[in-house]
Amino acid sequence: EPEVTQTPSHQVTQMGQEVILRCVPISNHLYFYWYRQILGQKVEFLVSFYNNEISEKSEIFDDQFSVERPDGSNFTLKIRSTKLEDSAMYFCASSIDRNSGNTIYFGEGSWLTVV
Amino acid sequence: TQLLEQSPQFLSIQEGENLTVYCNSSSVFSSLQWYRQEPGEGPVLLVTVVTGGEVKKLKRLTFQFGDARKDSSLHITAAQPGDTGLYLCGVRGNTGKLIFGQGTTLQVKP
Repeated sequence: EPEVTQTPSHQVTQMGQEVILRCVPISNHLYFYWYRQILGQKVEFLVSFYNNEISEKSEIFDDQFSVERPDGSNFTLKIRSTKLEDSAMYFCASSIDRNSGNTIYFGEGSWLTVV
Repeated sequence: TQLLEQSPQFLSIQEGENLTVYCNSSSVFSSLQWYRQEPGEGPVLLVTVVTGGEVKKLKRLTFQFGDARKDSSLHITAAQPGDTGLYLCGVRGNTGKLIFGQGTTLQVKP
């Protein structure tokens, strides 16, 4: 079955450094998403992306964050000037459309630890 | 305030017991989805319910969508240790984003 793949699976970074999390969505999918899950907490929506632009973003997704689809296959989340509270599991997801009855497929996540 | 309220937040039971998890809202939805997340992995879709009053079964899991399409329940019969995980209900918005409830952490002890 096709799957969303994410790299790295785990990254440790110094506070203040920039981090890029990478995702390869399912190939025929058109909608892409990033979610965050702080340890022990709920899965929170960050941003949705369609047609090479952000279609919606949450309050969490401030100027520190950016997303890009640089080459038609990868979908990246950049976190600038990381803070301790950015430590979390970041999930990429994709869907073929925005139909509420259809599935969003999640990757296995990138665990970010900011020290 | 949460769009989706799940209860209970934590549940620890013995193997063989039955349980029900609830997902409630004051909003009406065209559909609702249930996901399961295991530690260190992403959420995986279990089921989508669409019609008010709909009941769907997935082996020992029974999902129901409320008649008014504001709430849903997940019932597990004869729980097994392999059912341990985080159960999330979610709804999709107009832009396609999926919003989750807080989740129910289920632990089934052998």
